Amino acid sequence: QSALTQPPSASGSPGQSVTISCTGSSSDVGRYNYVSWYQQHPGKAPKLMIYEVSKRPSGVPDRFSGSKSGNTASLTVSGLQAEDEADYYCNSFVGNNIYVFGTGTKVFVL
Amino acid sequence: QVQLMQSGAEVKQPGASVKVSCKSSGYTFTSYHMHWVRQAPGQGLEWMGIINPAGSDTRYAQKFKGRVTMTRDTSTSTDYMELSSLRSEDTAVYYCAREGGHHGDNIFWGQGTLVTVSS
Repeated sequence: QSALTQPPSASGSPGQSVTISCTGSSSDVGRYNYVSWYQQHPGKAPKLMIYEVSKRPSGVPDRFSGSKSGNTASLTVSGLQAEDEADYYCNSFVGNNIYVFGTGTKVFVL
Repeated sequence: QVQLMQSGAEVKQPGASVKVSCKSSGYTFTSYHMHWVRQAPGQGLEWMGIINPAGSDTRYAQKFKGRVTMTRDTSTSTDYMELSSLRSEDTAVYYCAREGGHHGDNIFWGQGTLVTVSS
């Protein structure tokens, strides 16, 4: 179970959009619609932002959206705000009730 | 409201074992899976394993098989994660995380338990 591949960093100015990719394989991201995304601020526990590829939990702003194409899932943050600066991790089901996280992406708001 | 309260920080010597607890409140304990996730200092999140609502089935990441044991006590609504043969690379914050009812939607998290492995 290798970690899913994410870019180390991404950035955008306030109000702009940023998209983070999460690349797996046909055995995980490509096979199941069970990709979730987490936001983590320094010293804090992760926070669920997206589950089942594109669903938002209650309370998560609609500026956050998720999608998937083939073996790659994506998280888009629109209308960037200063508080969106954080680490973001994808997570995928890989079958047999096993999961794997992505390598993580640091988002900078310029 | 849902709360997951983890045990306090631990310092262990290499080769020892550690048992971290996660006490749940505010919901029906036997209705949800619990995941365990760890994060080494300055590193990313690492999925360790999952236990089913009844506590009768566990699945572990390949990396931890043979060294990790996840259990739960339904009478006290408490989950446990025990990691043995500790080495310095196991120094990390360990989190319990409860699903929201869908695959992998870990919406509730404990506060984290720092385990330091040092001689």
